[in-house]
Amino acid sequence: AQSVAQPEDQVNVAEGNPLTVKCTYSVSGNPYLFWYVQYPNRGLQFLLKYITGDNLVKGSYGFEAEFNKSQTSFHLKKPSALVSDSALYFCAVRDIKGNEKLTFGTGTRLTIIP
Amino acid sequence: GAVVSQHPSRVICKSGTSVKIECRSLDFQATTMFWYRQFPKKSLMLMATSNEGSKATYEQGVEKDKFLINHASLTLSTLTVTSAHPEDSSFYICSARDLMAEDYTFGSGTRLTVV
Repeated sequence: AQSVAQPEDQVNVAEGNPLTVKCTYSVSGNPYLFWYVQYPNRGLQFLLKYITGDNLVKGSYGFEAEFNKSQTSFHLKKPSALVSDSALYFCAVRDIKGNEKLTFGTGTRLTIIP
Repeated sequence: GAVVSQHPSRVICKSGTSVKIECRSLDFQATTMFWYRQFPKKSLMLMATSNEGSKATYEQGVEKDKFLINHASLTLSTLTVTSAHPEDSSFYICSARDLMAEDYTFGSGTRLTVV
C-alpha cells in the first residue's frame, strides 16, 4: 500500500520569506513523487516531480523539493514567497512497481501574507 | 507541455437527469485516465481508472451503474453521472497519464450542481 501525509492543513508565511510545505510518504518499493498546486475551482497544476536522479528537484514558479529517502520526505520549498503563491498544495506518490494510481495527501493551504 | 481539456467546466442539472463530462488529452495519447471527486476543502478521491478499450476499474464504494465511464479512444474518456441527485453535487476532475513522460496531467475540473 502507498500513502502520503501532509501534516499541516494550513501554512502562513510572510511575503518574501522562505516557505516549506511538508510531505512524507510510504511505499513498499521506490517512489515516484509529485507536487501539484490548485487554485479555486480549478484542476491541479503540475509543479515538479521526482522520478530518479538528483535528489533536489527544481520545478515551476521557483519551487523546489528535496527527496530524502531516509526520512521518506519530499518537502516543497521556495526561497522567497509571493502573494500569488497562495493556493492549495497537494503531494502525491506512486510506487514504481505498483499500479498506475497516484495517492494524494490531504492538501496544505498556503497563505502568503503581504 | 501536455494539455488535458475537460468540459463542461460548470453544469447545473435537475435531479433525475444525466450529465456527461468529457476529458480529452490534446497532444498525447493516454491509455489510462483517472476520474476524481473533490469535496469542499478536501483532497481528491479517486473514483475510477479508465483504460482505453476496456472496462473501467472502480474504487471501492463507487457505484458503477451511477458513474458510467467510457474510454473509447486514446484521447477521450467520458464520465456520465446517471440519475443525478443533489448529493452528487461536487467538483469532478480527470487526469490523463502520459506514458512517455511519466506525467499525470489534470483537467480544469467540472463543478456539478444538482438541483
